Amino acid sequence: AQSVTQLDSHVSVSEGTPVLLRCNYSSSYSPSLFWYVQHPNKGLQLLLKYTSAATLVKGINGFEAEFKKSETSFHLTKPSAHMSDAAEYFCVVSDPMHNDMRFGAGTRLTVKP
Amino acid sequence: DGGITQSPKYLFRKEGQNVTLSCEQNLNHDAMYWYRQDPGQGLRLIYYSQIVNDFQKGDIAEGYSVSREKKESFPLTVTSAQKNPTAFYLCASSIMGLAGRSTDTQYFGPGTRLTVL
Repeated sequence: AQSVTQLDSHVSVSEGTPVLLRCNYSSSYSPSLFWYVQHPNKGLQLLLKYTSAATLVKGINGFEAEFKKSETSFHLTKPSAHMSDAAEYFCVVSDPMHNDMRFGAGTRLTVKP
Repeated sequence: DGGITQSPKYLFRKEGQNVTLSCEQNLNHDAMYWYRQDPGQGLRLIYYSQIVNDFQKGDIAEGYSVSREKKESFPLTVTSAQKNPTAFYLCASSIMGLAGRSTDTQYFGPGTRLTVL
């Protein structure tokens, strides 16, 4: 069985400051891990994906995430927030061998001018 | 342009009516999925299909039905048996890897917002 927990339902930062969105996962397998972003009333867009290669994964729009097996975490970071980063972010754990994919509840990021 | 399209963008339904949400993809993906999204919750899987003329129930299939007559199309019907159908519905697709298993990167459509009046 798999599960994913996003530790903050809402994060608020000022423009130009760092972003940290936290995600912990639980999996009996060697999972793949994803971050998706969703702007209001839109579909989900893939930000980045971890599949057991490099533990530091770089994604689009300056985001990156680090896989830490010992902490079962996959936190999303960005050095400097932009107004256009305001959106909902979803952490996802996947076991493709068993066709099982679990979404976190989401973290809403607000960026203040 | 390759991608996934969903229609309509907004849909209103009276209680007791069935409605069908459209999902089409031109990515040549084998697998397609339907999710439901409610405020403050992650996505929950309704149905998925890995091959034409075959589909499997997800976590919340009750009150929904699907068909997969063509590779490109995976329509979802919300029946009158679904007690609380007001939600945002997302369709996704992915390619299949070796041995018939999904490669797991899913690509999403823009969604349909269904409201029951």
